[in-house]
Amino acid sequence: NAGVTQTPKFRVLKTGQSMTLLCAQDMNHEYMYWYRQDPGMGLRLIHYSVGEGTTAKGEVPDGYNVSRLKKQNFLLGLESAAPSQTSVYFCASSYVNQPQHFGDGTRLSIL
Amino acid sequence: EDKVVQSPLSLVVHEGDTVTLNCSYEVTNFRSLLWYKQEKKAPTFLFMLTSSGIEKKSGRLSSILDKKELFSILNITATQTGDSAIYLCAGRTTSGTYKYIFGTGTRLKVLA
Repeated sequence: NAGVTQTPKFRVLKTGQSMTLLCAQDMNHEYMYWYRQDPGMGLRLIHYSVGEGTTAKGEVPDGYNVSRLKKQNFLLGLESAAPSQTSVYFCASSYVNQPQHFGDGTRLSIL
Repeated sequence: EDKVVQSPLSLVVHEGDTVTLNCSYEVTNFRSLLWYKQEKKAPTFLFMLTSSGIEKKSGRLSSILDKKELFSILNITATQTGDSAIYLCAGRTTSGTYKYIFGTGTRLKVLA
C-alpha cells in the first residue's frame, strides 16, 4: 500500500529557478492538499483540490500554482523560487469527512 | 480569522509520566477536531472528535472535545520514549469547502 507518495524527497534550487513537486495517492480520495511546514508555524495550507480539475487557494498561495488533471495526482509548482519558499512541503489526501493521509514530505531549499 | 492554538509549545517528561496536551480553537462552521502525531516525517492520524464529552481512547492515548469551551485535550499515560514527537491538532471547517486549520504543535520529549 503506497498511500500518498511525494517526489522528490529533497531538492536544492537557486533563486529564480522553477520546479514542480508531485503528489500521487492510490486511495481514490477526492480531496487533496498541499501544506508547507516551517519552524514554529505549524502546517499552513497552500492550495487544495476537492476533485479532478478543481483547485482552490489556501492560506499562503502566493508564489505557487497547482494542477489536478488526474484524480490521483496533485502537482505544486514554483514558477520563480525565492528563499522564503525554503520549507518542508507536505501533500495530503482524504475522503469527505475523513482524516487526511499525509505523504513523507519534500524538503526544499532555495539558495 | 480561524485559528487553533496549542499549549504548551514544548514539554520534557520522564518515562512513566502522564501528560496533557491542550488545543483551543476558533473555527468558523466547525465540523471536527483532529489530532496527529508527527515523528520524523508524515503526520499520522490519532483521533477525530466531533461530539462534546465523548472520550476516544487508543491504548495509552485518549482525547476529548469540549465544544462549549472550544478546546480539546490529548492525554498520554505511562509515557514511553516512543511517544516523543510533535503532536498537532487541527480544526476542520465546512466554510466554503472542507479545510483544516492546524495549530503549531506541541513538541513532546520523553526521557528514559
